[in-house]
Amino acid sequence: ETGVTQSPTHLIKTRGQQVTLRCSSQSGHNTVSWYQQALGQGPQFIFQYYREEENGRGNFPPRFSGLQFPNYSSELNVNALELDDSALYLCASSLANSGTDTQYFGPGTRLTVL
Amino acid sequence: AQKVTQAQTEISVVEKEDVTLDCVYETRDTTYYLFWYKQPPSGELVFLIRRNSFDEQNEISGRYSWNFQKSTSSFNFTITASQVVDSAVYFCALRRYSGGGADGLTFGKGTHLIIQP
Repeated sequence: ETGVTQSPTHLIKTRGQQVTLRCSSQSGHNTVSWYQQALGQGPQFIFQYYREEENGRGNFPPRFSGLQFPNYSSELNVNALELDDSALYLCASSLANSGTDTQYFGPGTRLTVL
Repeated sequence: AQKVTQAQTEISVVEKEDVTLDCVYETRDTTYYLFWYKQPPSGELVFLIRRNSFDEQNEISGRYSWNFQKSTSSFNFTITASQVVDSAVYFCALRRYSGGGADGLTFGKGTHLIIQP
């Protein structure tokens, strides 16, 4: 069974740039969620994708957007990067409507905005 | 609104001691799920346990045990005979039962557990 994978591991960008982070879900899972974890804080829910559509969103502005592909992998896009966007971005996959839909996390992408 | 409070920012104990991590939650939902995750220095969140709100049975898994008390809105986690490998940040999380809809996890701020040899 393949776990959740994310790429890249680390990324450095400058303010105002755009970034794309990628996530491959665990085999058999059909739902992907994205979280932002600032240093010393708990993860915060950004949004969730199911059947290639966003079906849930946390308190994040529209410049945070995403995609889910037919193979259930996903991308997180952030436009007009701000210094406060520096964080660990975690992707989690789950099997919706399975009765257990526990989220399993990937290793994360560490984004630094200068 | 949902909220999870982990009042213990950091706990340091000597190996083989027992340690309890506290978690208190707030929710208006009658049906919800509670979770514990472990985050080692590598950064990946490792799932430990999931508990449904309608199941208050406590659970034991090896050296780990969980005490869920709906009356006090608490879901505490105890490690018995702690080991250095238990050193990590531990997060308690809450999710409403969405009936097939989408809701993310609401996390506490985490407790940094340090096990000294």
